[in-house]
Amino acid sequence: EVQLVESGGGLVQPGGSLRLSCAASGFTFRSYEMNWVRQAPGKGLEWVSYSSSSSAVTIYYADSVKGRFTISRDNAKNSLYLQMNSLRAEDTAVYYCARAAAGSDYYFDYWGRGTLVTVSS
Amino acid sequence: SYVLTQPPSVSVAPGQTARITCGGDNIGVKSVHWYQQKPGQAPVLVVYDDSDRPSGIPERFSGSNSGNTATLTISRVEAGDEADYYCQVWDSSSGHPYWVFGGGTKLTVL
Repeated sequence: EVQLVESGGGLVQPGGSLRLSCAASGFTFRSYEMNWVRQAPGKGLEWVSYSSSSSAVTIYYADSVKGRFTISRDNAKNSLYLQMNSLRAEDTAVYYCARAAAGSDYYFDYWGRGTLVTVSS
Repeated sequence: SYVLTQPPSVSVAPGQTARITCGGDNIGVKSVHWYQQKPGQAPVLVVYDDSDRPSGIPERFSGSNSGNTATLTISRVEAGDEADYYCQVWDSSSGHPYWVFGGGTKLTVL
């Protein structure tokens, strides 16, 4: 059974940093592209970042987080990460780890339950 | 950047058919994917590549895509179908890949 479990969320002050983790199990993690998607309270879904599966990793970011967030992965630990720096109030959201479908980068076939990040003083 | 437009809400009686639209510029040439999200839960993929269903998703869920509108159709609606539904496409018109979501549609079962 595919499982994605996010952790690392919490309350942080504006300008602060936080590192999210996503522990994957039930599939060959190193073979899949992975993403972070967020959802502000009461709002819709927003894609945040993408990491390819290959050793020469290809990475993309949404314009709203580019230069502040860094995605990474450790295939030996079956884990995906999101380092978030210079956090703003508008970064407050539930952050989901989402797997790209096999053979297609274009949609997400499994999601974690999310971890809540609150940016507030 | 590419924009997807969904109606904020759709209401339907049990047993009837719900149609949720997703509008975008020439969206018919893109592959559209749909997610269901119930309160407090993670999204679940219900339709991919316009009209395919993942295993475990009932045949009552179907999709179509043409011109400037994609549509998620839920036949014989049940109370358990009440949820938010999001359409999504992949777009690279801005210079790098973007996974774009519509604003979401709240399906209410009367």
